[in-house]
Amino acid sequence: QKEVEQNSGPLSVPEGAIASLNCTYSDRGSQSFFWYRQYSGKSPELIMSIYSNGDKEDGRFTAQLNKASQYVSLLIRDSQPSDSATYLCAVKDRITGGGNKLTFGTGTQLKVEL
Amino acid sequence: EAGVTQFPSHSVIEKGQTVTLRCDPISGHDNLYWYRRVMGKEIKFLLHFVKESKQDESGMPNNRFLAERTGGTYSTLKVQPAELEDSGVYFCASSHTGYSYEQYFGPGTRLTVT
Repeated sequence: QKEVEQNSGPLSVPEGAIASLNCTYSDRGSQSFFWYRQYSGKSPELIMSIYSNGDKEDGRFTAQLNKASQYVSLLIRDSQPSDSATYLCAVKDRITGGGNKLTFGTGTQLKVEL
Repeated sequence: EAGVTQFPSHSVIEKGQTVTLRCDPISGHDNLYWYRRVMGKEIKFLLHFVKESKQDESGMPNNRFLAERTGGTYSTLKVQPAELEDSGVYFCASSHTGYSYEQYFGPGTRLTVT
């Protein structure tokens, strides 16, 4: 079983719709969760971080975390063609020895169509 | 504020040669990380520096890889001798010390070993 799992997609949504990206993780002790956006050939760009159960909103983005279900999601409202990219879910391991290692999923490709 | 920078952006070397990658973190960030993405796979952690000390090097593949961060500023990652399976994109990231574990990535170095 992969440590961080994402559906590779592509996920296609029409412009203006809500895009829902999902991620599950295997380590129940994981503490911190991140969403990165990566355009083709570019570096991962941090767009959201979430540490507590519930929702966290930032502009058109909402991250949702459910530690009991080991599930984290990213909602993108009013999707735009510029949102077309690969979205990476990353999980920070439980705190051991002070390390900050991130474990990544393979990413979900999002396509926002006109 | 300048972001994480990496040099070179691309490197093509022959099997058996040596390559050195450089990373300059965001100014003031004590934490510096190296990650690698092999084609078709997820981004994987290599190691983590706190200032000049190696906090976690559990992801280093083997002793052909040597990372240094003299003076706690920039870091180098040397691969000697390079093998075909070392090809991939090497990302560097940095973060502040503190509760926020948000890591900011550089543009990456694409390494091709032929």
